[in-house]
Amino acid sequence: GAVVSQHPSWVICKSGTSVKIECRSLDFQATTMFWYRQFPKQSLMLMATSNEGSKATYEQGVEKDKFLINHASLTLSTLTVTSAHPEDSSFYICSASIGQVVNSPLHFGNGTRLTVT
Amino acid sequence: AQKVTQAQTEISVVEKEDVTLDCVYETRDTTYYLFWYKQPPSGELVFLIRRNSFDEQNEISGRYSWNFQKSTSSFNFTITASQVVDSAVYFCALSENSGYALNFGKGTSLLVTP
Repeated sequence: GAVVSQHPSWVICKSGTSVKIECRSLDFQATTMFWYRQFPKQSLMLMATSNEGSKATYEQGVEKDKFLINHASLTLSTLTVTSAHPEDSSFYICSASIGQVVNSPLHFGNGTRLTVT
Repeated sequence: AQKVTQAQTEISVVEKEDVTLDCVYETRDTTYYLFWYKQPPSGELVFLIRRNSFDEQNEISGRYSWNFQKSTSSFNFTITASQVVDSAVYFCALSENSGYALNFGKGTSLLVTP
């Protein structure tokens, strides 16, 4: 079946540094990718939607200058948390689809647990 | 706007009991998709089911079954003869189309004890 690989699975970084998370679709072309954030014991909240070759669309309240999303190819999207702070510590998970078409499946990565010290 | 409500925050059952997880949704779309995912402690999301708004047939897959009722905007999930391995957080989710972003409920944490 379709697989989405997310890397790294966990990362610890110091406050003020930047962290890049990769989301790759391994056996299909992901026209659209979604990034979610999940704080402990809470639900998954959509951060942004990215379409290959265009700028990401961010949800209200998500700082686009802090969470940089790049979707330069049909198989790779990256989320960079810039100047990370402890409040950015969270579980970040991506999902990918072939596009917003009827019956297109949605595949999730395994998530990245970010801890900022 | 879409909304998914999972009123049960935590459920605890003893192994072999049946348990039903409730999901109520709100949407103005006539076409939409409903999902259930399982999230074990390791964090990954395990896909359980996708159902579109035009298919109200109930579904059974092994010990799992789903009851979709448009009249009450509910999409409930039942685990029969629960097992310890069923312990996880279960999320119900809604989207306006299958390839779109998902709007998740707050999740129900299920604990199955031996």
